[in-house]
Amino acid sequence: ETGVTQSPTHLIKTRGQQVTLRCSSQSGHNTVSWYQQALGQGPQFIFQYYREEENGRGNFPPRFSGLQFPNYSSELNVNALELDDSALYLCASSFEGGRRILSYEQYFGPGTRLTVT
Amino acid sequence: KQEVTQIPAALSVPEGENLVLNCSFTDSAIYNLQWFRQDPGKGLTSLLLIQSSQREQTSGRLNASLDKSSGRSTLYIAASQPGDSATYLCAVRRMDSSYKLIFGSGTRLLVRP
Repeated sequence: ETGVTQSPTHLIKTRGQQVTLRCSSQSGHNTVSWYQQALGQGPQFIFQYYREEENGRGNFPPRFSGLQFPNYSSELNVNALELDDSALYLCASSFEGGRRILSYEQYFGPGTRLTVT
Repeated sequence: KQEVTQIPAALSVPEGENLVLNCSFTDSAIYNLQWFRQDPGKGLTSLLLIQSSQREQTSGRLNASLDKSSGRSTLYIAASQPGDSATYLCAVRRMDSSYKLIFGSGTRLLVRP
């Protein structure tokens, strides 16, 4: 069973640029959530995709957008980068819904460290 | 609005000591609570998940308890080792249509040899 993977590992961008981060879900999972973790803080929920549709959004501006693909992999896009966007971006996958009651445990990837200069 | 608080923010203990990390949350309408470990600059590793109907979960030297009515959870680490040094985060999942987790800021643990 393959775990959650993210790419790239590290990224350096300039203020005003755009960035795309990628996440591959764990096999069998249908839900992907994205989180932003600033240094010394807990992760903050950005948004979530369930079966290719957005299923909830945190307090982030519209320049943060995402996609989920039929194979349940996902992208996080950030436009007009600001210095405060520098953070560790975490992707988590889980299996949600269905007839059986499951643990709904979320599994996290290793993260992408984004630095905006 | 659900808020999650972890105390203490940092903890330093000698090897072999038993220790308790605390997590509190303001809204008892949760679906479950997860404890995670995070090494510096790395992703999150799930340690224990407690469903809202459960009181505790155990894995090896780790024991997590949940008291939903008082909005508290504890993570007990027995016989701590230097390899346990990391940041420990707790997160709650609200009982609503969103599957998001709400995290505390974590406790940074250092176990001294």
